[in-house]
Amino acid sequence: QVQLKETGPGLVQPTQTLSITCTVSGFSLTSYYMQWVRQTPGKGLEWMGFIRSGGSTEYNSEFKSRLSISRDTSKNQVFLKMNSLKTEDTGVYYCARAVGRGGFAYWGQGTLVTVSS
Amino acid sequence: DIQMTQSPSSMSVSLGDRVTITCRASQDIGNYLSWYQQKPEKSPKLMIYGATNLEDGVPSRFSGSRSGSDYSLTINSLESEDTGIYFCLQHKQYPYTFGAGTKLELK
Repeated sequence: QVQLKETGPGLVQPTQTLSITCTVSGFSLTSYYMQWVRQTPGKGLEWMGFIRSGGSTEYNSEFKSRLSISRDTSKNQVFLKMNSLKTEDTGVYYCARAVGRGGFAYWGQGTLVTVSS
Repeated sequence: DIQMTQSPSSMSVSLGDRVTITCRASQDIGNYLSWYQQKPEKSPKLMIYGATNLEDGVPSRFSGSRSGSDYSLTINSLESEDTGIYFCLQHKQYPYTFGAGTKLELK
């Protein structure tokens, strides 16, 4: 069955770079768009961006200058990297898979990221 | 960016109540609107897609509707398992945007 799981560092210092891996199973990354969504105390749920089945990306301009999404199809992994972290970036980061009928039907369990010195 | 104005922000409801939550889109999004339920410490769960379509496995007491730029999620005859936070999401235009959420609690 379809599964997604995020792994992240937990704690990141301000100004540093966040790296999160989303490992998927039950489907191919070359067939679906993979989304990144975060949930912060200050702004609630925010769509960050996605990587298309063909490998191109789309970013929320809110993050565009510091966000990068990539993947390794051989490992069934999608990566989020975001630099210049601030305390306001503290929150839960999710990867999700969209479905053709619309909406994000599959989500990982989320990984909590705390930005603090 | 398209703003999704969700109301109410919270509701205190009783078992068996009919509940309606609304999102108003600041621009045309057609039917590119989905609804999610989130339980504490859990990931969002897709409930409705395409504004009016029930996701597989979601109880039939849930329904979605649209009137112009207003999108509604209705729960007929609320059950205890329906408590949680509900969000709408527009995926018509980048950046996709969520509503602020409606917290549903039992009286």
